[in-house]
Amino acid sequence: QVQLQESGPGLVKPSETLSLTCTVSNYFIGSGFYWGWIRQAPGQGLEWIGTISHRESTYYNPFLQSRVTISLDTSKNQFFLRVTSVAATDTALYYCARGFSGSPDYFEYWGLGTLVTVSS
Amino acid sequence: IVMTQSPATLSVSPGERATLSCRASQSVRTNLAWYQQKPGQAPRLLIYSASTRATGVPARFSGSGSETEFTLTISSLQSEDFAVYYCQQYNNWPPRVTFGPGTKVDIK
Repeated sequence: QVQLQESGPGLVKPSETLSLTCTVSNYFIGSGFYWGWIRQAPGQGLEWIGTISHRESTYYNPFLQSRVTISLDTSKNQFFLRVTSVAATDTALYYCARGFSGSPDYFEYWGLGTLVTVSS
Repeated sequence: IVMTQSPATLSVSPGERATLSCRASQSVRTNLAWYQQKPGQAPRLLIYSASTRATGVPARFSGSGSETEFTLTISSLQSEDFAVYYCQQYNNWPPRVTFGPGTKVDIK
């Protein structure tokens, strides 16, 4: 069973950079599939942030694209999220997930999420 | 593409049928999924390609629709089915994913 676990600082100051890591177990991320980040503000719905392929092609939510970078490190079997110039509106539970098929379509396996609060 | 879901909240008695709607602002063909999210849990993929159940999903869950109108039906609600349900579409190119705002199914 594929497992994903998010990690990173729980508190980030406004205007600074949010950096999260997703560690994948029981599947080598370099073998295939797409890997994504999704967030959920408190009491709100799901928002797609972006997706990276195992070949490192990236696709971003156009509303976040200017501030977001997703990358991966196959040697560590991890992929990463970086969001610059954060504001209170970036406070959310951040999930990493694995795609369902060979297309960047649906998300089958999810981490438990990590809460990031943006506050001074 | 903007996704809308209705109703925002659906109150249903156990054993009853629940019908949830999802609408896309333009055609997504059948590139649509449904997820279930329970409090404190990550979303769970229920239906993909509009009508195919994901592995392990009970047969009481069914999806239908195409283009801009989609439906998730839960034929006989069980206690474990009370949750929030999200639809999600994806574009082939450029690859984009959009979630709907969700429908909360609660106990009547």
